[in-house]
Amino acid sequence: SQTIHQWPATLVQPVGSPLSLECTVEGTSNPNLYWYRQAAGRGLQLLFYSVGIGQISSEVPQNLSASRPQDRQFILSSKKLLLSDSGFYLCAWSVYSDTQYFGPGTRLTVL
Amino acid sequence: GNSVTQMEGPVTLSEEAFLTINCTYTATGYPSLFWYVQYPGEGLQLLLKATKADDKGSNKGFEATYRKETTSFHLEKGSVQVSDSAVYFCALTRTYSGAGSYQLTFGKGTKLSVIP
Repeated sequence: SQTIHQWPATLVQPVGSPLSLECTVEGTSNPNLYWYRQAAGRGLQLLFYSVGIGQISSEVPQNLSASRPQDRQFILSSKKLLLSDSGFYLCAWSVYSDTQYFGPGTRLTVL
Repeated sequence: GNSVTQMEGPVTLSEEAFLTINCTYTATGYPSLFWYVQYPGEGLQLLLKATKADDKGSNKGFEATYRKETTSFHLEKGSVQVSDSAVYFCALTRTYSGAGSYQLTFGKGTKLSVIP
């Protein structure tokens, strides 16, 4: 069966520091991968999605970036965090379907 | 574009009460409709799905019917338990992004609290 992992589970970072969040999927090949952010009172916002290695599409302009160095690995990065980057970051996958399956999430607090 | 309007919470019910969470949508074409559930501190879990008009999705005692005439996908459960306390999200397929990838549009979520 397929499983999705995210780490770290929680992270507290100072403003201006870099960020790297990792997501990996097991048990499937060629998944479509997604990064969402859930900020308090603002619902789910799609940040990036990827249909293959090295292929990244951005939904909103921001100081975040994403990369997909391997088929089942998706990384969310920032060079300098802002206070507004605080939130709950969720990774999701799908395979030739409109059904997406979510990871456990990373709680990021920027101070 | 496709959009979802979901009743705002929070909703507080006593155990064994009947639950309805309203969800209406605006869409072109024939999107799939979803309900996801998020327990405290966790990611979203797929609760149920319907892919065409009059389809009924069901899981764990929850049900929702794809109503094209009223553009609705209301979530119902006959008897809620304390363990059902969570945030519930209605969603629909927004766009096809190519290579088998679809984007979803989510409602803002409804927080349900069930008290003993």
